[in-house]
Amino acid sequence: DTAVSQTPKYLVTQMGNDKSIKCEQNLGHDTMYWYKQDSKKFLKIMFSYNNKELIINETVPNRFSPKSPDKAHLNLHINSLELGDSAVYFCASSRGTYYTFGSGTRLTVV
Amino acid sequence: GEDVEQSLFLSVREGDSSVINCTYTDSSSTYLYWYKQEPGAGLQLLTYIFSNMDMKQDQRLTVLLNKKDKHLSLRIADTQTGDSAIYFCAETAGGSYIPTFGRGTSLIVHP
Repeated sequence: DTAVSQTPKYLVTQMGNDKSIKCEQNLGHDTMYWYKQDSKKFLKIMFSYNNKELIINETVPNRFSPKSPDKAHLNLHINSLELGDSAVYFCASSRGTYYTFGSGTRLTVV
Repeated sequence: GEDVEQSLFLSVREGDSSVINCTYTDSSSTYLYWYKQEPGAGLQLLTYIFSNMDMKQDQRLTVLLNKKDKHLSLRIADTQTGDSAIYFCAETAGGSYIPTFGRGTSLIVHP
């Protein structure tokens, strides 16, 4: 059973489109995250939710909007996609110091 | 400079030991982690060490922490081709549970 699953695994879309990436965890963790991994493999946190409440919102364009319908789900919606949004996006969940990551969504904007 | 730094590449021969190094800047670091990322996969937690420890061993993995120099290393004994991956060092500091990651070290194991 996949602990943190995100869909889709690959996403290719044109500039200007709106897209969503979904994430679900079945670990019962209270905190979920979205990370962006750029082409140089640098991981940077974007958002963190704890029990459906936003607790971290790093400097991310407001075209990115996370949505947490319940504590097992954290979806990422991106409006008006730009070329610079191309990256791998990782969802993660945690309880205390123990993190589990999803396998990533490779977003390519053309 | 970055908060967590690691060299980008390491190439070793199968059967040799690999040592991946990491330096960090925050002296209030509480936990330090090593994650492994295989191609096309997410990060997998390999091991972590609390900042009041000097060493932690887990089978083929040995983590050494030099808190004075803010230096963390991961030694993989008897490196195998299946160990080829990117290894990320990360730390949490202060009261935060959000880790800061390094850029990752690509470990290449050749026969």
